[in-house]
Amino acid sequence: EIVMTQSPATLSVSPGERATLSCRASQSVSSNLAWYQQKPGQAPRLLIYGASTRATGIPARFSGSGSGTEFTLTISSLQSEDFAVYYCQQYNNWPPSYTFGQGTKLEIK
Amino acid sequence: QVTLRESGPALVKPTQTLTLTCTFSGFSLSTSGMCVSWIRQPPGKALEWLARIDWDDDKYYSTSLKTRLTISKDTSKNQVVLTMTNMDPVDTATYYCARTRVVEGGFDYWGQGTLVTVSS
Repeated sequence: EIVMTQSPATLSVSPGERATLSCRASQSVSSNLAWYQQKPGQAPRLLIYGASTRATGIPARFSGSGSGTEFTLTISSLQSEDFAVYYCQQYNNWPPSYTFGQGTKLEIK
Repeated sequence: QVTLRESGPALVKPTQTLTLTCTFSGFSLSTSGMCVSWIRQPPGKALEWLARIDWDDDKYYSTSLKTRLTISKDTSKNQVVLTMTNMDPVDTATYYCARTRVVEGGFDYWGQGTLVTVSS
């Protein structure tokens, strides 16, 4: 099973600053990588798929990069509504399987 | 407008079988490339994918839970059903259903989730 490792576990950033979140796969997942945002009491929200494609309605301040085993989610200028937990997720095309990272909590500094 | 909603018991006893239903609208599970998955999240913990069913009725399961899971669909009712046997307190979690499309890979629409507690 592919293991996804996110770092850091908690990231403290001030509003208006840039946040960079990392995700590493235990083996290559090509560009089959998605990012989600989850706020307390809510379902996750898809931000990025295909490692770098923003999902419908996602603001341009969210960007994804990477391929293979190293991936990054960047939020260019943090807004108050961006403080949440972020998960990366790989999807294996065959046979289909999905694994999530353990999450990064983005908190207000 | 795509929506999904999970329903099922809030409390089950150890060793019982859990049956959850996902009722969706705004898309058809008979459309090529369309899929619905179940994902769970124990309180305060990370997400775990459980199973997926495809438009052509292909089914895929988490390797670690495969022996306990069954996923099925009723296309006419726009429903996907998940059963999980031999429930244990460690299975206490919020269970979500979510849509994915083969061409994209990410889960683009989610239900609000249903909390299932396993306790005697």
